[in-house]
Amino acid sequence: VVMTQSPLSLPVTLGQPASISCRSSQSLVSSDGNTYLNWFQQRPGQSPRRLIYKVSNRDSGVPDRFSGSGSGTDFTLKISRVEAEDVGVYYCMQGIHWPRTFGQGTKVEIK
Amino acid sequence: EVQLLESGGGLVQPGGSLRLSCAASAFTFSSYAMSWVRQAPGKGLEWVSAISGGGDSTYYADSVKGRFTISRDNSQNTLFLHMNSLRAEDTAIYYCAKAPGLSSKEGFDSWGQGTLVTVSS
Repeated sequence: VVMTQSPLSLPVTLGQPASISCRSSQSLVSSDGNTYLNWFQQRPGQSPRRLIYKVSNRDSGVPDRFSGSGSGTDFTLKISRVEAEDVGVYYCMQGIHWPRTFGQGTKVEIK
Repeated sequence: EVQLLESGGGLVQPGGSLRLSCAASAFTFSSYAMSWVRQAPGKGLEWVSAISGGGDSTYYADSVKGRFTISRDNSQNTLFLHMNSLRAEDTAIYYCAKAPGLSSKEGFDSWGQGTLVTVSS
């Protein structure tokens, strides 16, 4: 399953919103009714960290300015007001098909 | 707090072998699926391999199938990645990653700090 993110680079002004798109080549809806699309953040020099699982569920400690949405093959990660600590690369990942696959990554930077 | 500590990376010649280890602590290791994810220098994340909690099911990326073997020792809370016939394109940071349950459908909720593998003559 190919995961395609856009844009690949996203310069954002502090306090402004940001949106990242992720599209899968196949449906991510499981027979159990869940949709297995997850988002990860990788800050410079750090290991990745999961932000959101099953499209829209935020991990513990993730600020509520992060939100996920979408269905089927089309998904979005939104940051309502970008802060300096949000700089990094964001990846979507599908969890329903083998092999697991990540998007190419979207680099968020401050203008 | 969950801890995952990778080791075993280093410089190896093309065609060589290496074994990576990941020591896990602060959770019931055998109850969770585990994976290896790698990141080539300046590139994105690539899932490499996964193993079920009991070790009876394994999965591989096409790029490593037949060359890499994932295994685990639940008595020692340790995950392994045996890498053979290494190629220059295997050069990457290798991360050990814990699934939130029996499968990695919901991704990985804990990651190690990574170990660097460099394949070069």
